[in-house]
Amino acid sequence: NAGVTQTPKFQVLKTGQSMTLQCAQDMNHEYMSWYRQDPGMGLRLIHYSVGAGITDQGEVPNGYNVSRSTTEDFPLRLLSAAPSQTSVYFCASRRDIAGNQPQHFGDGTRLSIL
Amino acid sequence: AQTVTQSQPEMSVQEAETVTLSCTYDTSESDYYLFWYKQPPSRQMILVIRQEAYKQQNATENRFSVNFQKAAKSFSLKISDSQLGDAAMYFCAYRSFDAGGTSYGKLTFGQGTILTVHP
Repeated sequence: NAGVTQTPKFQVLKTGQSMTLQCAQDMNHEYMSWYRQDPGMGLRLIHYSVGAGITDQGEVPNGYNVSRSTTEDFPLRLLSAAPSQTSVYFCASRRDIAGNQPQHFGDGTRLSIL
Repeated sequence: AQTVTQSQPEMSVQEAETVTLSCTYDTSESDYYLFWYKQPPSRQMILVIRQEAYKQQNATENRFSVNFQKAAKSFSLKISDSQLGDAAMYFCAYRSFDAGGTSYGKLTFGQGTILTVHP
């Protein structure tokens, strides 16, 4: 049972480079989301999706794009990396947007922008 | 907008002793969910315990229990018989019961508390 799989686990980029953080879940969850974790700030929501073809912005969406072409995959794209995007990124999924089901998190991606 | 505050950046406890981590939150909603997550050095986010606001009874999971004070908007985590494996960052989190509007099903996290367990 893989759960939520994130790749890569670590990445170093130069300012201005682009990259995609991959996220896949095998639990047939409708709700998926991306968070970033910064020291002293907890986790903050970047983007979320309530199903294939449906995405929307969270609290801190600037500089990030997402898409949801399938139920399983929810990639996060950095179009032009900036040092302020240095962070740990978590993908999470839940059966649906409402209810008390637990959130399942991936193992995180540590991203450094030089 | 909801906010979650963890006022203890760091806490420490002796092995086998009891420790309580504090969490307060601000909301105008009457129905919501509260969670405690554990993040060990491996970086995984592990659900420890959850509480539905409409339930008056405090949630318990083995050595972990909460003191939920709805009127005071307080949600503390008590760890009994602390073990070395309990050492981690602990996050308190809030989620609206209503997934519509501006909540979009998100979790709102506190800043985290680093728990050290001494042998």
